[in-house]
Amino acid sequence: EDQVTQSPEALRLQEGESSSLNCSYTVSGLRGLFWYRQDPGKGPEFLFTLYSAGEEKEKERLKATLTKKESFLHITAPKPEDSATYLCAVQASFGNEKLTFGTGTRLTIIP
Amino acid sequence: GAVVSQHPSRVICKSGTSVKIECRSLDFQATTMFWYRQFPKQSLMLMATSNEGSKATYEQGVEKDKFLINHASLTLSTLTVTSAHPEDSSFYICSAIPGQNSYEQYFGPGTRLTVT
Repeated sequence: EDQVTQSPEALRLQEGESSSLNCSYTVSGLRGLFWYRQDPGKGPEFLFTLYSAGEEKEKERLKATLTKKESFLHITAPKPEDSATYLCAVQASFGNEKLTFGTGTRLTIIP
Repeated sequence: GAVVSQHPSRVICKSGTSVKIECRSLDFQATTMFWYRQFPKQSLMLMATSNEGSKATYEQGVEKDKFLINHASLTLSTLTVTSAHPEDSSFYICSAIPGQNSYEQYFGPGTRLTVT
């Protein structure tokens, strides 16, 4: 069974204080690993897809990396508007396009 | 691009009644859409995969007779919660994949269902 574990569960940072969020996964053949941002009461917003170990993608203050067992979402010099829950999900190579989600990291950036 | 909408955004219904939630892909056609539910402070749990023109595929433990899914066109899927009970109160979110060569799911804004 595919599993995704995210840590920490919650993270409070001062504005400008860089950090990383972790996503550990086990999957029967990885098709893709996805990062989403979710604001309270809203649907997830797509951020990145990573397909193979060693791949990196960047968007503004966010950078996602992937190894064979985990992914990191690095946030550099965060701003209060980066506060949200960040979700990680995996999609297996076999079967349909089902996503298995982790429970997320609730990030709070303090001005 | 890749915008998904849901209607309604919030709905309150009485126990025993049915409620329909619509999911639309606004700027692309989606042969496959997905329905998730999310409880407070928990992650998204896939309920079913909706395929245009065919029956939905339900995840283990999801009652197909209670959660009716219809994917009648390439831009619309509906989820009907039949004979709703308070335990069905949740945040329901749909997603869709734009294009045959993409695996990325784009999500709607969600529907908050409260059953009284």
